[in-house]
Amino acid sequence: GQQVMQIPQYQHVQEGEDFTTYCNSSTTLSNIQWYKQRPGGHPVFLIQLVKSGEVKKQKRLTFQFGEAKKNSSLHITATQTTDVGTYFCAGPEYGGATNKLIFGTGTLLAVQP
Amino acid sequence: AAGVIQSPRHLIKEKRETATLKCYPIPRHDTVYWYQQGPGQDPQFLISFYEKMQSDKGSIPDRFSAQQFSDYHSELNMSSLELGDSALYFCASSLGIGGVNEQFFGPGTRLTVL
Repeated sequence: GQQVMQIPQYQHVQEGEDFTTYCNSSTTLSNIQWYKQRPGGHPVFLIQLVKSGEVKKQKRLTFQFGEAKKNSSLHITATQTTDVGTYFCAGPEYGGATNKLIFGTGTLLAVQP
Repeated sequence: AAGVIQSPRHLIKEKRETATLKCYPIPRHDTVYWYQQGPGQDPQFLISFYEKMQSDKGSIPDRFSAQQFSDYHSELNMSSLELGDSALYFCASSLGIGGVNEQFFGPGTRLTVL
C-alpha cells in the first residue's frame, strides 16, 4: 500500500538553530498537507501545497513540494521553544476519490532553551 | 471560531465492553473523518462520511461501526473492546469530500481498555 515516510524520526536542537524534516511518498500525491501536533494535543493544519515545485512560507516556516510531487520538506529557521511538537506530512490516498489522509511517520522536534 | 467537538475526552473501559465516541463537526462541514492514533504513531484513517453516507473505509475492525446523523454529527461504536484498542481517536471535519480541503481535527478521545 501507499507509504509516506519522514526523516528524521526525532530531532533535538538548541533554540535558534534551524530544523528540517523531509517527507517521501511511495506514490505521486495530488497535494501535500502539513500538520503540527503538540504533545498531548491534536493535529493542527499548517499548510497545503498543490503544484509541482511549489514553495510557501509562513513566517519562519518554509514548505516545499517536490517537482515529481512525491516528496516535500518543512524548514524552520531559528527555532523557538514554541515549535516543539510532532510535524506530520499527509497526502490523499493515491487514486482515491475522497480526501482521506495518509499520514507520514512524523518528526518529533525538541527545542532546548 | 467553532471547532470540532469530541466527547468524551477520556474513556476507560474493560475488555469486551462497548464504547461510543461522539463527534460534532464544525458548523456547515458535511464531511467527517475518524482516525486512530496509537502511542508514538501517526494517525491511521478508519472511516469517513459525506452527507450522512459512508464515503470511505480504512483499517477499521469489523467490531467497530460508525454513522453520521442528520445534524452531521457522527458516532463511532466500538464493541468487544480489546487491549489493543487503547488509543487516541480523532475526528476531523471538512467542507466537501474531494479536491483540496483541509481537515480540522477535534481534541480527540483517549480510550483506555483495561
